[in-house]
Parts: sequence; structure tokens; C-alpha cells
Amino acid sequence: SQQGEEDPQALSIQEGENATMNCSYKTSINNLQWYRQNSGRGLVHLILIRSNEREKHSGRLRVTLDTSKKSSSLLITASRAADTASYFCATDAGSTTGGGNKLTFGTGTQLKVEL
Amino acid sequence: DAGVTQSPTHLIKTRGQQVTLRCSPKSGHDTVSWYQQALGQGPQFIFQYYEEEERQRGNFPDRFSGHQFPNYSSELNVNALLLGDSALYLCASSFFSQETQYFGPGTRLLVL
Repeated sequence: SQQGEEDPQALSIQEGENATMNCSYKTSINNLQWYRQNSGRGLVHLILIRSNEREKHSGRLRVTLDTSKKSSSLLITASRAADTASYFCATDAGSTTGGGNKLTFGTGTQLKVEL
Repeated sequence: DAGVTQSPTHLIKTRGQQVTLRCSPKSGHDTVSWYQQALGQGPQFIFQYYEEEERQRGNFPDRFSGHQFPNYSSELNVNALLLGDSALYLCASSFFSQETQYFGPGTRLLVL
């Protein structure tokens, strides 16, 4: 089952604009990660934020995490046509076996950046 | 440095058949996880292998089984295929204690 939902399901913007995607989840987490997927291919890891962090930056990406509201947002600034893809949030609740990595994904946001 | 590789890229099977998908992890990684992604959905965790043992399992029936070899590569086997097993199957690798996973390009399975 999906952990949560992304909002909006689809987003269309012009090149140069900012894109904001939101993610809600249901259970306590160790960390939350954002992935990008182009045209139904493999996922590319974008950024990870731990449960004790509130904000993180990586290049044009900014991620926030609000554990009290069980929500996160991904901001892509100055978007480019190459940013067109599906974006997924994934939560890692940790594991009693020691390894992490049982990621629970949201439903995804399809971003289209037009020239 | 090769990333995660999967084979085959595409596969067509009929209901009731069995299928084996293969994954080679990123160099140095010792943990392999498998995910199923139905069309229009996010990936769902199937199971994770470390030290040739299944360490965690998602909500998938016993028809889904796996194996990890001493060189850390892995196989996903699905028996008695159903139409609903049609999906993109993704393999991801990592170090056991590492939080970030690296995904392969996936195998697209179509069950007719």
C-alpha cells in the first residue's frame, strides 16, 4: 500500500518558473527521500531529509519536512524543460533488522515544464 | 563504475507461467531490494536481500520469491503469473546500513 499522497497529481509550468510539490505520509519515519523518474524508467535519488531536519538544499532543490503534520514539500527553482518527469516522495521508517531501505512511496507528481 | 543493471529490459509472458528477473547491484553494494511499480502508481516494496537472506518483505504473496548470490547479484522469481503482475519491476542496491538506494532501469513485464 502507498504510504501517502503527493499533491498535485500533475503540474504544468513554464521554463524558469518554480515548481512546488507536496507529500503527506501516515507513520513515523527515520527519513524522507525524493526521487525523479523519467518516462517510466528507473528512479534517480534527488535528496534525503532526516526526521530531525526541517529544511535541506541541494542545487536548485529545496526540501522541507514537518513531522508534526507528517508532510514534506519539494521546491524546484528556475525549472528547465529537462526537469519534466514524475517526482515521488518515499519514506523510510527504519527496520528492526538493522538495515533501512524499505521505502514506501507516494503516488507521485507528474511535472511538465514547457518552453 | 557501472550502476545497477537489470535484465531483461522487457518480457512478455502468459498467465500461469513463471518468470525470473535479474539484477546486478552497483559496485561495492551488498544489499538488493526489489519493487513493483504498476502503471500510474508509485513503486511498492517486495523484499530486500542481504547476506543471501531475505531481510524484509512487503505485502506480496509467496508466489514472489528471490535469491541473492555470493557476488551480491539477485533474482526475483514470480510463479503462477496473473494479469495483475504486469508492471515495471525495479531493483535497487545500497550498503546495508545506508539510507540512499540506487535504482536500476527496471524490467517491464507484461502478462497476457
